[in-house]
Amino acid sequence: AQSVTQLDSQVPVFEEAPVELRCNYSSSVSVYLFWYVQYPNQGLQLLLKYLSGSTLVKGINGFEAEFNKSQTSFHLRKPSVHISDTAEYFCAVNSGGYQKVTFGTGTKLQVIP
Amino acid sequence: DAGVIQSPRHEVTEMGQEVTLRCKPISGHNSLFWYRQTMMRGLELLIYFNNNVPIDDSGMPEDRFSAKMPNASFSTLKIQPSEPRDSAVYFCASSLGETGVQPQHFGDGTRLSIL
Repeated sequence: AQSVTQLDSQVPVFEEAPVELRCNYSSSVSVYLFWYVQYPNQGLQLLLKYLSGSTLVKGINGFEAEFNKSQTSFHLRKPSVHISDTAEYFCAVNSGGYQKVTFGTGTKLQVIP
Repeated sequence: DAGVIQSPRHEVTEMGQEVTLRCKPISGHNSLFWYRQTMMRGLELLIYFNNNVPIDDSGMPEDRFSAKMPNASFSTLKIQPSEPRDSAVYFCASSLGETGVQPQHFGDGTRLSIL
């Protein structure tokens, strides 16, 4: 079985400050990991994904995430946030097979001017 | 490129009425997913189709919910009869392939309110 834990439901951060959104996963096999972003009144959009290879993955809008197998983590980071980054962020895991992706409960990032 | 298209964007109806939500996946995608999002339960997978065939409907809440995919470019999610607890945002997503490495592309959702 696979699962995802997003430890923080809300993260307030000042504009231009760095941010880290935490994600831990559980799976008995190799995993594919994703971060999605959801802006108000919209569907989820892919930020970045880890399939294999380099553990540091770069995504859109200046975000990056690092896959840490020993800590079963896939934390999302951005060195300097902008007001437009205010949104909800979802971590997701897939252990292969037919694509049943498990989503975390989401972290609301609030960027304060 | 056109993304996943859902209709209607908003639906308000009275308890007991039939509700039909529609989805047009991205052309060429062969996997389609219906999700429900609520504050209490987050994002829940209701049903997954691959090549128009339902593969996993274990997330469908009960017999009042049904989903069909008559062809590669159209899917419906029907609730009959509807109840206030069905109020939520319903998302359709599509992706290419079967191996789980391809991301899902989401529509903008249907916000459903059952009075």
